[in-house]
Amino acid sequence: ETGVTQTPRHLVMGMTNKKSLKCEQHLGHNAMYWYKQSAKKPLELMFVYNFKEQTENNSVPSRFSPECPNSSHLFLHLHTLQPEDSALYLCASSLANPSGSSYEQYFGPGTRLTVT
Amino acid sequence: EDKVVQSPLSLVVHEGDTVTLNCSYEVTNFRSLLWYKQEKKAPTFLFMLTSSGIEKKSGRLSSILDKKELFSILNITATQTGDSAVYLCAVEASTGNTPLVFGKGTRLSVIA
Repeated sequence: ETGVTQTPRHLVMGMTNKKSLKCEQHLGHNAMYWYKQSAKKPLELMFVYNFKEQTENNSVPSRFSPECPNSSHLFLHLHTLQPEDSALYLCASSLANPSGSSYEQYFGPGTRLTVT
Repeated sequence: EDKVVQSPLSLVVHEGDTVTLNCSYEVTNFRSLLWYKQEKKAPTFLFMLTSSGIEKKSGRLSSILDKKELFSILNITATQTGDSAVYLCAVEASTGNTPLVFGKGTRLSVIA
């Protein structure tokens, strides 16, 4: 059981494709996060949404485009990716408050992305 | 079904104590095991383990993996109040439905 779900679980795409990753949380949280976990590298925070507003973008290339239509759903739109973008993409959610501080984050199972 | 079980779920110790956190797993096509420290902010990556018997060490923290017995331990020596956090274990599979399976975490509280 998990309160945070991600689809698809695995994705193989070419460099010219456009695809989207989806995350959904059923925990009543109001903050959502995208992370990238590359092989042998620390977890990298990509985007943060608090109350549906993007509050953080850690210098992520524009070929990654997040969307947060409501507090339960988060998307990551992908286009013209590079092979080095192959990684595990994790979504997380937490409670948050408008000042920006957050509580413990609950992770989804991730999407294993391979760019060929 | 892939699963990761951490124990204990919570632990309270005094500063200076040594603690051992446990993570056992059942996963098809094991690829790696990861440890994270999660405070009231983004989680911090601690270790990634792929080979049995090779200890990884960072300051007062160390971790080792036993792929035969399917578990890992995270040791923290001379604990400090700043070590108080939730420690997450996650296992990555190379195939299967779930790329990364998280345990529920161990909540460590270090009191002065």
